[in-house]
Amino acid sequence: SQKIEQNSEALNIQEGKTATLTCNYTNYSPAYLQWYRQDPGRGPVFLLLIRENEKEKRKERLKVTFDTTLKQSLFHITASQPADSATYLCALDMGNQGGKLIFGQGTELSVKP
Amino acid sequence: EADIYQTPRYLVIGTGKKITLECSQTMGHDKMYWYQQDPGMELHLIHYSYGVNSTEKGDLSSESTVSRIRTEHFPLTLESARPSHTSQYLCASSDPGSSYNEQFFGPGTRLTVL
Repeated sequence: SQKIEQNSEALNIQEGKTATLTCNYTNYSPAYLQWYRQDPGRGPVFLLLIRENEKEKRKERLKVTFDTTLKQSLFHITASQPADSATYLCALDMGNQGGKLIFGQGTELSVKP
Repeated sequence: EADIYQTPRYLVIGTGKKITLECSQTMGHDKMYWYQQDPGMELHLIHYSYGVNSTEKGDLSSESTVSRIRTEHFPLTLESARPSHTSQYLCASSDPGSSYNEQFFGPGTRLTVL
């Protein structure tokens, strides 16, 4: 079955630097790969989606890449701010599961002033 | 902010009690989902629905049941709560007509069974 690996260790960076988070998956490439942000005690919030045939997607300070050869997506936050501190989840939409998503366990990001 | 609501936000209850976790959305979404999430762990899908009178079990086996009598309402029921049911329960919805198929989540219910 499909497995997702996100770095379980928290990522600590200095304000203003670029944060890079990794999402690796096994088996088949998803039709879509989504990234969510989750704050403590809250539900996830959708950030970005990248399709199987796309290499890169940007939204403001966020950038997502998708490499189906490496079976990996990278999520970048440029000019990071303390308000970006949260847990970031990647989720796979295989495209043939009626919209069901497979979530990774997330990576906690802490941005220090 | 997504228009999806969950009540209660926190619930502490004794073993053997029957509980219902409420989830409502005002976006008119056909698809709704229930996830279970333990601290530091991934979300596991326990139930989903593609519309009124449609319910299916998810990938993680759960002793809970759900119903979908109205589009906007998707309650989850535990007939007899046990300590192993202690977890965070998250409800979500999505619009099948959306090009992104993103899911909108409620704030969650933190359930503790003593």
